[in-house]
Amino acid sequence: EAQVTQNPRYLITVTGKKLTVTCSQNMNHEYMSWYRQDPGLGLRQIYYSMNVEVTDKGDVPEGYKVSRKEKRNFPLILESPSPNQTSLYFCASSLSFWDGGVRAFFGQGTRLTVV
Amino acid sequence: ELKVEQNPLFLSMQEGKNYTIYCNYSTTSDRLYWYRQDPGKSLESLFVLLSNGAVKQEGRLMASLDTKARLSTLHITAAVHDLSATYFCAVVGYGNKLVFGAGTILRVKS
Repeated sequence: EAQVTQNPRYLITVTGKKLTVTCSQNMNHEYMSWYRQDPGLGLRQIYYSMNVEVTDKGDVPEGYKVSRKEKRNFPLILESPSPNQTSLYFCASSLSFWDGGVRAFFGQGTRLTVV
Repeated sequence: ELKVEQNPLFLSMQEGKNYTIYCNYSTTSDRLYWYRQDPGKSLESLFVLLSNGAVKQEGRLMASLDTKARLSTLHITAAVHDLSATYFCAVVGYGNKLVFGAGTILRVKS
């Protein structure tokens, strides 16, 4: 089954404790991206990756890191989480960014709370 | 800077009625997406609109794009309860960034 898998689904952590949210897709997609969703703000893009070893900042990259060492995985790293990073996070993938007609697949979301 | 505005942000409608959700964006773009999100769930891709005048339809939903007016519409025909969800439009901007609108919460009442 084609899917994007995020882990964990829920996470409560303390300020400053490094964490990683994993994202994996099984569709051999080139394009992957991370978003955060906050009430009244819609989704905001954090980082995206056009392919292996190619990543770039989205609209709200501060406080986040990503890596794309292999095609299927695109982890989101919070080196020193702060309470303003409490949010709902989504990972998404699509076959190719340039092939805009292809649908994007979203993971189930990770609800992060930083206390 | 690309800004995407949806309106209305909340829409309560009766079953069987028609309505339109609007998505305006501030800078030139040739790609616009519509997504649906059910409460507590992830996003589901509905439509991709790639050119001026593009129209896509699926079931009771029809989306269109006017790139000159920087406007997309999502038209709902004869609404049914199953359409209750939050609908987002998203636009590709400079530097391949994807910018979402704030979302429209749609509630269809019996």
